[in-house]
Amino acid sequence: DVKVTQSSRYLVKRTGEKVFLECVQDMDHENMFWYRQDPGLGLRLIYFSYDVKMKEKGDIPEGYSVSREKKERFSLILESASTNQTSMYLCASTLGDNEQFFGPGTRLTVL
Amino acid sequence: SQQGEEDPQALSIQEGENATMNCSYKTSINNLQWYRQNSGRGLVHLILIRSNEREKHSGRLRVTLDTSKKSSSLLITASRAADTASYFCATGRNDYKLSFGAGTTVTVRA
Repeated sequence: DVKVTQSSRYLVKRTGEKVFLECVQDMDHENMFWYRQDPGLGLRLIYFSYDVKMKEKGDIPEGYSVSREKKERFSLILESASTNQTSMYLCASTLGDNEQFFGPGTRLTVL
Repeated sequence: SQQGEEDPQALSIQEGENATMNCSYKTSINNLQWYRQNSGRGLVHLILIRSNEREKHSGRLRVTLDTSKKSSSLLITASRAADTASYFCATGRNDYKLSFGAGTTVTVRA
């Protein structure tokens, strides 16, 4: 059974902290994505990666960076967390232009 | 940027009834996908329809796509309490990215 896992379901951090969100997939997918989901706004793409060490900005990359050192792992980094980054963060992976497989999400609260 | 827009925003139906929700989008697409999200969880893929297809079925789900009107509909027949969830349409482009709408929240009353 295919699987995308995220390091935490819930996370509470303080303003200014550096935050790491980890995502791992076991499907050997080339493409991985980070989204944030806010009420009434749906999912918005933060960053995506087509291959190891490859990354491209999505629609809302400001305040975020990513790292993909291994094919199965895609990390989202909040360099200096701010309260407006309180959100649900969802990771997904896909092979080609087919369905995306999502992780369970990380609900991040920045105080 | 958000391309798909679902309508209605919320839908409440009786168990056994059909639920229909619509999605409109702005630019040309490679495919259109529908996802379901149960409260506070990740999204689950339901069905994918490519731009050269007009209708697709999967179990109790029926999806239509009208590229001339840039719209799609998702029909859930004989709804069950377990269908209570948010439903999102997502448009796919040639670069493998998806653009999601804000979703339709469906409540199925017992």
